[in-house]
Amino acid sequence: DAGVIQSPRHEVTEMGQEVTLRCKPISGHDYLFWYRQTMMRGLELLIYFNNNVPIDDSGMPEDRFSAKMPNASFSTLKIQPSEPRDSAVYFCASSPYSGQNTEAFFGQGTRLTVV
Amino acid sequence: GDSVTQMEGPVTLSEEACLTINCTYTATGYPSLFWYVQYPGEGLQLLLKATKADDKGSNKGFEATYRKETTSFHLEKGSVQVSDSAVYFCALNDDYKLSFGAGTTVTVRA
Repeated sequence: DAGVIQSPRHEVTEMGQEVTLRCKPISGHDYLFWYRQTMMRGLELLIYFNNNVPIDDSGMPEDRFSAKMPNASFSTLKIQPSEPRDSAVYFCASSPYSGQNTEAFFGQGTRLTVV
Repeated sequence: GDSVTQMEGPVTLSEEACLTINCTYTATGYPSLFWYVQYPGEGLQLLLKATKADDKGSNKGFEATYRKETTSFHLEKGSVQVSDSAVYFCALNDDYKLSFGAGTTVTVRA
């Protein structure tokens, strides 16, 4: 398996523009997670899905952020409108099941810069 | 809520030196504990894990023992290499999601 695939790897956009980050989880994994990594706040869980259904979005910072998972092999994280403080590395991760022993498999991340 | 506290970095070592990164946790249940590693420009990779008290996880010369009495999961390696330079994250899973520590940057000099 190719692992979790994220695109793009790098994104530079102007403040106010819409940004869409994409993720393809590992085939057969039921759970998908979106994390954000910044120097100030470290790794934060934004939202996670189970079988394409959003389960917990309490980490989504504002209404400007939205995430969808239209099918088992694809998810998007959208920011509209983007702001400079959204600059971060966004990671997608997937896991085959939930529970205490669960490990997550991470993509390589999308580095977002909002200018 | 569940949380992880790990040693502040950065840590700079010479090759063949010993490495210890401290990690303590707070959890209401009985979590599994993990160490992830992030190499420059890459995503996080699982380094090792332990699922119950007194378990020892090990991989690539790294070890960590789940200590319930001290709520700790310290990462150790007896002889580091330049290739071990990375950011190390302690994490716990106490239901359905991983909670991460702040990360510790380790640099190994030749």
